[in-house]
Amino acid sequence: GENVEQHPSTLSVQEGDSAVIKCTYSDSASNYFPWYKQELGKGPQLIIDIRSNVGEKKDQRIAVTLNKTAKHFSLHITETQPEDSAVYFCAASTGSQGNLIFGKGTKLSVKP
Amino acid sequence: NAGVTQTPKFQVLKTGQSMTLQCAQDMNHNSMYWYRQDPGMGLRLIYYSASEGTTDKGEVPNGYNVSRLNKREFSLRLESAAPSQTSVYFCASSLRDGSYEQYFGPGTRLTVT
Repeated sequence: GENVEQHPSTLSVQEGDSAVIKCTYSDSASNYFPWYKQELGKGPQLIIDIRSNVGEKKDQRIAVTLNKTAKHFSLHITETQPEDSAVYFCAASTGSQGNLIFGKGTKLSVKP
Repeated sequence: NAGVTQTPKFQVLKTGQSMTLQCAQDMNHNSMYWYRQDPGMGLRLIYYSASEGTTDKGEVPNGYNVSRLNKREFSLRLESAAPSQTSVYFCASSLRDGSYEQYFGPGTRLTVT
C-alpha cells in the first residue's frame, strides 16, 4: 500500500524567511496530493492541493511542487508570519475510494 | 453553514465502557470518514463511507463500528473501550470518494482509563 514520508518533523524559521516541507510517496498510482494545516486544538484545514497532471501550484504565499518521476512533493511558504505557526501534514491518494495516506506532520514555528 | 460538526468535544471512559461519537455535515457531501490522530503518527483512517448505505474498513478498524445513518450523519462506536483507543478522533467529508478535497471537523478528544 501507499506510504508517505514527511520531513522535517520540526522546523523553526525567522519571520519573513521561507519554509520548505518535503514529502515522498511510494505508490506511483497516487494522483492527488493535498496539504493540511492544523492549529492547536483544531481539525486539519486544507490549504492547497495538487494533482498529478500539474507540476506546480501557487496560492499567494503558498506553493506546492510535484515531481512524479522522483515521487516527491513539497510545500513552500514564503514571507512567513507568526500565524503560519502550526503543524502541517502532507497526504497522497490513489483515487481509489479517496483514501488519503498522511505523513506524520511537521511542526512549523515562526519566530517574530 | 457549519461544515462538519462532531459531538462530544471531550470524553473520558473507563475500560470496557461503550460510547458513540457523532458526526454530521451540511455540505451535501456523499463521502464521510473517521480518522484517529495519535502523537507522532499522523492521521490514520478507521472507517469510511463512500456513499449513503455503504461503509468500508480503513487502516485501523479493529475495535470500532460505524453507521451511516443518512447522507448527513456518520457515527463511530466503541463497543468496549480500551486504553489503546485513547486518541483524538476526527470526522471528515468530501463531495465524492476519489481524489476530492476532504473537510475535517473539530475533533473529539477521548481518554480511556
